Amino acid sequence: NAGVTQTPKFQVLKTGQSMTLQCAQDMNHEYMSWYRQDPGMGLRLIHYSVGAGITDQGEVPNGYNVSRSTTEDFPLRLLSAAPSQTSVYFCASSPGLNSPLHFGNGTRLTVT
Amino acid sequence: GESVGLHLPTLSVQEGDNSIINCAYSNSASDYFIWYKQESGKGPQFIIDIRSNMDKRQGQRVTVLLNKTVKHLSLQIAATQPGDSAVYFCAENWGPGYSTLTFGKGTMLLVSP
Repeated sequence: NAGVTQTPKFQVLKTGQSMTLQCAQDMNHEYMSWYRQDPGMGLRLIHYSVGAGITDQGEVPNGYNVSRSTTEDFPLRLLSAAPSQTSVYFCASSPGLNSPLHFGNGTRLTVT
Repeated sequence: GESVGLHLPTLSVQEGDNSIINCAYSNSASDYFIWYKQESGKGPQFIIDIRSNMDKRQGQRVTVLLNKTVKHLSLQIAATQPGDSAVYFCAENWGPGYSTLTFGKGTMLLVSP
């Protein structure tokens, strides 16, 4: 199993550009989520999904959209990038509530 | 305070020592706790978890202790190795759903040969 795969590993955007961060998992996990990791803070939840067709907002959802059309994929879209979105983004999945999250290796995004 | 990559509390140990990393959690309603290891440039990696109906749980070279009275969690690593050098952070789930999982900022463990 590859686990959780994120692409790209690095990305530089100009303010106002849009892009999609890809996330795929091959463990048949129902739960998937996106976090951002910034210096001085713990991981913060952006959006999550408890199954295909179901998404919900986390702690810091503004400026991001998600969709979950399949169990395997959970892309994160930045609608109009801002410097405040410069961060490392992690996708995670788990088989259920109160089970450990499995993380991808992250996408390091810089917005200039 | 703690931060990822900046001003993180740091624990420096010699290879072969036992390491203890501490975490003060915030919510007395939390009933599930996880320890993660994060190496530079990688995603967090699950180490061990514990539920609130337990005080102690052991894994391979690791032990997690939970003290609910003082809201304290610790991770003990036996016979620490250079490959254990990483940032370690705890997470607590204080509510009934997925959105109530809250992560700490981490402690950097440095292991010298």
